Amino acid sequence: DGGITQSPKYLFRKEGQNVTLSCEQNLNHDAMYWYRQDPGQGLRLIYYSQIVNDFQKGDIAEGYSVSREKKESFPLTVTSAQKNPTAFYLCASSDTRDYLSLDFGEGSWLTVV
Amino acid sequence: KNEVEQSPQNLTAQEGEFITINCSYSVGISALHWLQQHPGGGIVSLFMLSSGKKKHGRLIATINIQEKHSSLHITASHPRDSAVYICAVGADSNYQLIWGAGTKLIIKP
Repeated sequence: DGGITQSPKYLFRKEGQNVTLSCEQNLNHDAMYWYRQDPGQGLRLIYYSQIVNDFQKGDIAEGYSVSREKKESFPLTVTSAQKNPTAFYLCASSDTRDYLSLDFGEGSWLTVV
Repeated sequence: KNEVEQSPQNLTAQEGEFITINCSYSVGISALHWLQQHPGGGIVSLFMLSSGKKKHGRLIATINIQEKHSSLHITASHPRDSAVYICAVGADSNYQLIWGAGTKLIIKP
């Protein structure tokens, strides 16, 4: 079955460390997205990519980086510059012709210890 | 003021009750999306609508474009309906999704 796989589900990071969250999709979608979710807030867009080797900053890109070397993969690195990284991170993808219809991964919980 | 407002933020009800969750928005939209987030965090799409009403099983979604308002109804609610329900609108100005903060629903047996 097609879908989006995020890993790891739970991740603990020490202050000052970079961590990378994996997102892989086999839906043949061109567009991929990373969202951050904090309690009581709506999803906020970190980065998105509509085509391989190209990506754009979302609303809260500071302290994060991404790459899109393959259509199937869109990893997110949470760098030490991100001051408050503890959150739930969701990866999504869509057909670029239907940007409203997103498929989501199961999410990754990142905690700074 | 947020561009997408959901109410209530939290809702607890008894099994069998009729549930209504509201979503109001202030921007021009191409469509509105209702999604469900499981307790484990995964999100699934429930409805996408740009006019009128859609029904799937015990779920009904309506939208009033003139009033910039949508409602999600659950009939004969069940504990397995307990989840966070999220409204998101597709802004017709920039083709981006604007997200509501979600409504946390708990259905007690």
